Amino acid sequence: GAVVSQHPSRVICKSGTSVKIECRSLDFQATTMFWYRQFPKKSLMLMATSNEGSKATYEQGVEKDKFLINHASLTLSTLTVTSAHPEDSSFYICSARVEISGRHNEQFFGPGTRLTVL
Amino acid sequence: AQSVSQHNHHVILSEAASLELGCNYSYGGTVNLFWYVQYPGQHLQLLLKYFSGDPLVKGIKGFEAEFIKSKFSFNLRKPSVQWSDTAEYFCAVKTDSWGKFQFGAGTQVVVTP
Repeated sequence: GAVVSQHPSRVICKSGTSVKIECRSLDFQATTMFWYRQFPKKSLMLMATSNEGSKATYEQGVEKDKFLINHASLTLSTLTVTSAHPEDSSFYICSARVEISGRHNEQFFGPGTRLTVL
Repeated sequence: AQSVSQHNHHVILSEAASLELGCNYSYGGTVNLFWYVQYPGQHLQLLLKYFSGDPLVKGIKGFEAEFIKSKFSFNLRKPSVQWSDTAEYFCAVKTDSWGKFQFGAGTQVVVTP
């Protein structure tokens, strides 16, 4: 199947700093990528849909200025957590949409990035 | 509002026991249905998916799931589990053509030797 990578896998930062997380589709092009947040023992919460060459679409309750998403190429989307605070500590997962046929498509997930804000 | 519910949050069973995890969704239109597994320390992997056709789908590692449209359900089954099946299992539903998924809360499955 399609491979999605994330970098870094773990990051620890001080409160107030910004952190950039990269999501790459390694062997395919992805016009659409998704960013999720997973809390401990909780499900995945969709944060935003990242569209190549256009603005991201954010889910209700997700701060656009806090979580900046850039999808500058067909293989790379980045999530920047700006002015991070301890409550932003979480597991961030990206996925890339692959069209199978017509209306059917799948998502392939990256391995996730563990962010810890001190 | 669309929702996906998984009935069990935590399941403990012995090796060789049978496993069934429930998943129900609330959406009246066309759906694509998925089960993902997340092994400890690893990323989400697709177990199986349903798009159309035969409502009984077979996935990897001996898993299968049955789509029952009238019950809005997509339950996951495995006749005989192994210790290596210890993981978190997520049901997901896609309800629009852009691939936006809604995930269930997950079920933590622990298989004891």
